[in-house]
Amino acid sequence: GAVVSQHPSWVICKSGTSVKIECRSLDFQATTMFWYRQFPKQSLMLMATSNEGSKATYEQGVEKDKFLINHASLTLSTLTVTSAHPEDSSFYICSARIRGRSYNEQFFGPGTRLTVL
Amino acid sequence: RKEVEQDPGPFNVPEGATVAFNCTYSNSASQSFFWYRQDCRKEPKLLMSVYSSGNEDGRFTAQLNRASQYISLLIRDSKLSDSATYLCVVRGSTLGRLYFGRGTQLTVWP
Repeated sequence: GAVVSQHPSWVICKSGTSVKIECRSLDFQATTMFWYRQFPKQSLMLMATSNEGSKATYEQGVEKDKFLINHASLTLSTLTVTSAHPEDSSFYICSARIRGRSYNEQFFGPGTRLTVL
Repeated sequence: RKEVEQDPGPFNVPEGATVAFNCTYSNSASQSFFWYRQDCRKEPKLLMSVYSSGNEDGRFTAQLNRASQYISLLIRDSKLSDSATYLCVVRGSTLGRLYFGRGTQLTVWP
């Protein structure tokens, strides 16, 4: 099956720093990438939808200036958490949809666990 | 109201037991329905899609009732390896947009 990688798999940072998370589709072109956040014992919550070459669409309540998303190519999307604070500590997961495939098919990355001290 | 509601459990069952999970969704225009499995600190993985006619994959049976906006998952002959969190997932009318339930935790004990 299609493979999506995320880097880093985990990161610990100090409050106030910025953290960049990369999501790559390894063997396919991802026309759309989705960024989710999951707090402990909670469901995955969609943060934003990113289409290659266009601005990301953010869900209500998600600050676009704090969570910067760049989808510069068909194989790479990045999420930057700017000026991270302890409440941003969470599990961040990306997923990708393949060009020409069913809308039902989304391939998830392994996730990035962010801890802000 | 949340898009997808699930009983969070936990469900603790012995090996060999049959266990059922339920889920309801709020948007009658939802297009597609799935059960995902998520292991601790891992990404969710697709377990099976759910069709109106009901479908089975080995020990797993999924049912969809569109009139009641209700989805179920039945696991027969539970194995230790079935221990995980099971996520009810619905695709909305917006292309590709998935809505996740908070998951039902299952622990199968020997």
